[in-house]
Amino acid sequence: QSVLTQPPSASGTPGQRVTISCSGSSSNIGSNTVNWYQQLPGTAPKLLIYSNNQRPSGVPDRFSGSKSGTSASLAISGLQSEDEADYYCAAWDDSLNGSWVFGGGTKLTVL
Amino acid sequence: QITLKESGPTLVKPTQTLTLTCTFSGFSLSTSGVGVGWIRQPPGKALEWLALIYWDDDKRYSPSLKSRLTITKDTSKNQVVLTMTNMDPVDTATYYCAHLDGVYYGSGSYGDWFDPWGQGTLVTVSS
Repeated sequence: QSVLTQPPSASGTPGQRVTISCSGSSSNIGSNTVNWYQQLPGTAPKLLIYSNNQRPSGVPDRFSGSKSGTSASLAISGLQSEDEADYYCAAWDDSLNGSWVFGGGTKLTVL
Repeated sequence: QITLKESGPTLVKPTQTLTLTCTFSGFSLSTSGVGVGWIRQPPGKALEWLALIYWDDDKRYSPSLKSRLTITKDTSKNQVVLTMTNMDPVDTATYYCAHLDGVYYGSGSYGDWFDPWGQGTLVTVSS
């Protein structure tokens, strides 16, 4: 059971806009920034969004992130077949001695 | 360019201790603000954070695995080592190390993230 809650699956057709949610609590998303990672099949995770809504160099502007209260969202516009992957949210959690927590991951299917 | 690579045994027996090494280049673990973390992923399952070591030797561990984990660094060799005791078949996973980067936004606000990640190494626990 992951500390951050994501829908297990999402889907869309090419060109559509898809959003993936990530729900946490006051000790993680509520008080720290959220990062998103993309994991293509058989590869290591890659940073997609950092600090809630910042895109690393090389990440297309079709990807955007937002945060409100204890929830965050990843939006993908102009969906492309190569976006089919697993997406994970992550945040620092201040409880106990502090730890990184991840979401359970969302498998995005491009129909 | 920052790169990281994990190394260690691919197969360990139950109750044994696992030792994994992360060898990196492109940054120094003596630079303020820098860290290296370990994250694992059982086959077909989600990512799970294990441990993190900072430039100043501050160490953090997953609360659920804290008693079994030790993370250390060798700055001169550009390596970080993770040991996990009492291995069990449920510990079968791909183990990743990753560079921790961050930025201070002011007014006490800070953000950090793992980037990049190593390619990962699959560790199977079986007798």
